[in-house]
This record gives sequence, C-alpha cells and structure tokens, in this order.
Amino acid sequence: DTEVTQTPKHLVMGMTNKKSLKCEQHMGHRAMYWYKQKAKKPPELMFVYSYEKLSINESVPSRFSPECPNSSLLNLHLHALQPEDSALYLCASSQGPGYGYTFGSGTRLTVV
Amino acid sequence: AQKITQTQPGMFVQEKEAVTLDCTYDTSDPSYGLFWYKQPSSGEMIFLIYQGSYDQQNATEGRYSLNFQKARKSANLVISASQLGDSAMYFCAMREKGYSGAGSYQLTFGKGTKLSVIP
Repeated sequence: DTEVTQTPKHLVMGMTNKKSLKCEQHMGHRAMYWYKQKAKKPPELMFVYSYEKLSINESVPSRFSPECPNSSLLNLHLHALQPEDSALYLCASSQGPGYGYTFGSGTRLTVV
Repeated sequence: AQKITQTQPGMFVQEKEAVTLDCTYDTSDPSYGLFWYKQPSSGEMIFLIYQGSYDQQNATEGRYSLNFQKARKSANLVISASQLGDSAMYFCAMREKGYSGAGSYQLTFGKGTKLSVIP
C-alpha cells in the first residue's frame, strides 16, 4: 500500500461546528504532516509529527488541534473556524530526508 | 527573502516537445534537498524528483530530469516529450535545517508554475 488516504474529500462547516479531518497511511512512515493550501498559493506547513509526537507547530491557531493516535493515523480537529480558514488541507507522510513526501488527495474545506 | 523562486507563473509547451521549468533557491545550509512536485487540478501533490545537495549527478526519473547547478543555486526541472497529462501546477521545494526524529523534515515551496500542454 503506497497511499495516503484522506477523508472526507470535501467538507462544508459552519463557524460554530466541530469537525475532524482524517488521514491514514500503511507504509510504515513515522513522520506525518499537515499542510494548508489556499487557492493559487503553495502549501504551507502546519504540523509535523515524528513517532506519533508533535515535533513542529508552525504557530497555528488553537482552533486547529492535531492528534496522532497511532503510527498509521493522523487527525485534525476543527472548532470555531473562520471563513478565511477555507482551503485545501493536505496530509503527507515521509520515509526519510532523501525521499519525497507522499501526499493524500486532500480535503477541500469551506467554512460558511 | 524568498527561499524558493519560480519566475514563470505560466508556461505553454507543444505536445511531444521538451520544457524547462525554472527554480532558484537561497540557503546557507550546506546540507539541503530539492524536490519537484506536480499538482493537477484534482489537488493531489505528486512527488516527481529529488536532488540532494551532495549528489554529484543530476537526478533523473523517467521523463523528468533535474538540472542542478549548485554554484548558481538553481534546480530546473526538464520534462521531455511532453504529454497532455503533464498539464498541471509544478512546485519546486527545498528541505533545509537537517531533519529530526523519524527522518521528518520541513519543506518550503515556491509559488509554482502552471504548465499547459498544447495538442
């Protein structure tokens, strides 16, 4: 299995809702990432997990809460988002520094 | 200052022709890596090719090759024999700052080049 699977593919949520994005990989990668990509912009790093522990948080607002319950699963919990948080959220995993990330197909989030 | 610069917002190429997408980078770290990704309109980021700063040879992967000129700090992507399916956004990215546990590392992306292949 050489895939990163993200669900859901599309999500529309209100500003008072709580929702979660899910990311799963079975390649044995112990590094996993969340990136945010606004339209017509490059991806921007949000969080890095190494061995299921949060190693980097790029000053992301607390309304985004990551979780890594095991080595195959990465969640992003969303609460009280703003319309400007609407974006493509990409999950990725990596084998090591000499290998590219394997990205999931992303979740297109719209906050209304 | 931008770490990764892609000066071509958009490019057109005739099908079956070769095309070069430009990328220059800025780092003072002697150990770094350069990556190219393809993003079709569907949104998924597809890894194409990697070049390490200490690699002596230019990287190649099928129709993709990376023209690495270290002194010029450039890492241009060459796509040979373009196909209609190559139409997409292409991002150059750099890893610096080494890497941490589990081999994790941060990528900084350029703004991208939108490639359109003309039949």
